[in-house]
Amino acid sequence: EVQLVESGGGLVQPGGSLRLSCAASGFTFSSYWMHWVRQAPGKGLVWVSRINSDGSSTSYADSVKGRFTISRDNAKNTLYLQMNSLRAEDTAVYYCASGYPDYWGQGTLVTVSS
Amino acid sequence: QSALTQPPSASGSPGQSVTISCTGTSSDVGGYNYVSWYQQHPGKAPKLMIYEVSKRPSGVPDRFSGSKSGNTASLTVSGLQAEDEADYYCSSYAGSNNVFGTGTKVTVL
Repeated sequence: EVQLVESGGGLVQPGGSLRLSCAASGFTFSSYWMHWVRQAPGKGLVWVSRINSDGSSTSYADSVKGRFTISRDNAKNTLYLQMNSLRAEDTAVYYCASGYPDYWGQGTLVTVSS
Repeated sequence: QSALTQPPSASGSPGQSVTISCTGTSSDVGGYNYVSWYQQHPGKAPKLMIYEVSKRPSGVPDRFSGSKSGNTASLTVSGLQAEDEADYYCSSYAGSNNVFGTGTKVTVL
């Protein structure tokens, strides 16, 4: 059974940093592109970032470019999102997802507030 | 990186069909056959319903179908059932990025 479990969310002050993790199991993690997608409270899905299977290529939404960094450790079957210079508008549930995306985790809530 | 355009809402009675449109550009929907559709119930993670424009993952009822013409993709739900009431989002590969639609709330009357 495919499982994606996000962690690392929480309350952070504006300008602060947070690192999200996504532990994958039940599939060959190293063969799949991975994504981060976020959803602000009561709003729609927004694509944030993606990374290819071996980590050599990354892409970002304009809204997070230069502030967020996606990475992966295929030996640990884990995806990461380093978030710096956080803003109130980054407040959202952050989902990791594999492939198209096809499989999704349950999400972790990031709240940016003073 | 503009969001794909979907109607905010759609509705139908049980047994009827509803079609949701997803309009993009030649840089996303029109340029690739990598359009996906997701169903999201309140408080839940999205679920893949259609991928590569018209393919259904294992376990998704054949009441769900997808198509594309030019820069617009469509999701049709036939034989509406109460459990189909949810938010639906399209998504497209766009080369240097991915993009989601604005979302459509489907109501079963």
